[in-house]
Amino acid sequence: GQSLEQPSEVTAVEGAIVQINCTYQTSGFYGLSWYQQHDGGAPTFLSYNALDGLEETGRFSSFLSRSDSYGYLLLQELQMKDSASYFCAVRDGRGFQKLVFGTGTRLLVSP
Amino acid sequence: EAQVTQNPRYLITVTGKKLTVTCSQNMNHEYMSWYRQDPGLGLRQIYYSMNVEVTDKGDVPEGYKVSRKEKRNFPLILESPSPNQTSLYFCASSPPGVNTGELFFGEGSRLTVL
Repeated sequence: GQSLEQPSEVTAVEGAIVQINCTYQTSGFYGLSWYQQHDGGAPTFLSYNALDGLEETGRFSSFLSRSDSYGYLLLQELQMKDSASYFCAVRDGRGFQKLVFGTGTRLLVSP
Repeated sequence: EAQVTQNPRYLITVTGKKLTVTCSQNMNHEYMSWYRQDPGLGLRQIYYSMNVEVTDKGDVPEGYKVSRKEKRNFPLILESPSPNQTSLYFCASSPPGVNTGELFFGEGSRLTVL
């Protein structure tokens, strides 16, 4: 089968750095995406890694290691507004645009 | 404004009463998809469509139908809703291309089946 594993919850304080890990097991692999979702809102795209390495977008960075079937999202200089759920998602081989999501990590940022 | 629009946003219905959740995007995206989100289960794909008249099942298609007669619209049809279809539903679209992992999501439709 296919599965993506993420921690269910992570807590941190404002200004800190937090890393959210994602390990995956899928029939195919075409890239790892990260989404942010605030309570009651729609998921919004954060980043995408198709190749190994680090992608940086402002305070957020995402890393991928295809040999380890592993990736992470790194959030720096945390702000209260970063409190949200974060989902990793993998494009697997069964459909070119078939996206499989993890169960999400709830990030709580405290003052 | 580029967007994915879903309707209705909230709906309470009864078992067996057919309903349709509409989804429309104004970005000329070829790919569209429906997801349901349940606590602890994340987002699970129901159906997706690569283009007009091309649809395929996702991971949880039972009890749902879709159609893609026009590029911009991708309605989700529940022929005979049951309580286990109570959920938060999201429609999403994506531009074509091999190197995109980005989905644009609608605001969601919260469905309760009594």
